[in-house]
Amino acid sequence: EIVMTQSPATLSVSPGERATLSCRASQSVSSNLAWYQQKRGQAPRLLIYGASTRATDIPARFSGSGSGTEFTLTISSLQSEDFAVYYCQHYNNWPPWTFGQGTRVDIK
Amino acid sequence: EVQLVESGGGLVQAGGSLRLSCVGSGFLFGGYAMNWVRQAPGKGLEWVSTITGSGGTTHYADSVKGRFTISRDNSKNTAFLQVSSLRAEDTALYYCAKATHVSVALVDSWGRGTLVTVSS
Repeated sequence: EIVMTQSPATLSVSPGERATLSCRASQSVSSNLAWYQQKRGQAPRLLIYGASTRATDIPARFSGSGSGTEFTLTISSLQSEDFAVYYCQHYNNWPPWTFGQGTRVDIK
Repeated sequence: EVQLVESGGGLVQAGGSLRLSCVGSGFLFGGYAMNWVRQAPGKGLEWVSTITGSGGTTHYADSVKGRFTISRDNSKNTAFLQVSSLRAEDTALYYCAKATHVSVALVDSWGRGTLVTVSS
């Protein structure tokens, strides 16, 4: 099973600042990596797939990078609606298609 | 607009069973794999199961293998998750999610979830 490890667990950021979230896979997942955003009381929303491709209607301030085992989600200038929990998930060849434990982005 | 609506959750005793349903609309249901993902109260997301568009291939997390069964009825635009031999640790909000054509496990639309509570 591929273990996905996210860091930090919590990130405190002021509105307008940049946020950088990390996700590490225990073995290579190539670029088969997605990022999801989940706001309190809501279902998750797909932000990024293929490690760096924004999903439909996702603002340009969200960007993803990385391949293999190291991935990064960057939010260039945090807006109030961006405070949420972010999960990475691999969808490489075979299951289980595991999620990371999540990074909570809080208002500083 | 893609819509997914789950139902069938509830309070059940340990060892009991439930059948969760997910009705999809706004897309060609049979053309996409469907997934179930769960979230225990206050916890993260856990992938549970996947079924291909034709229903011919299924996958399960080890934690539910042998106890849960995923299926679908494309004539009714509905996916199912039969959950049996339930344990306290199966208590969670169960989301139904539509896959993309990129991968059966990459999901781009989610329902609101149905809550399963297992009492011991």
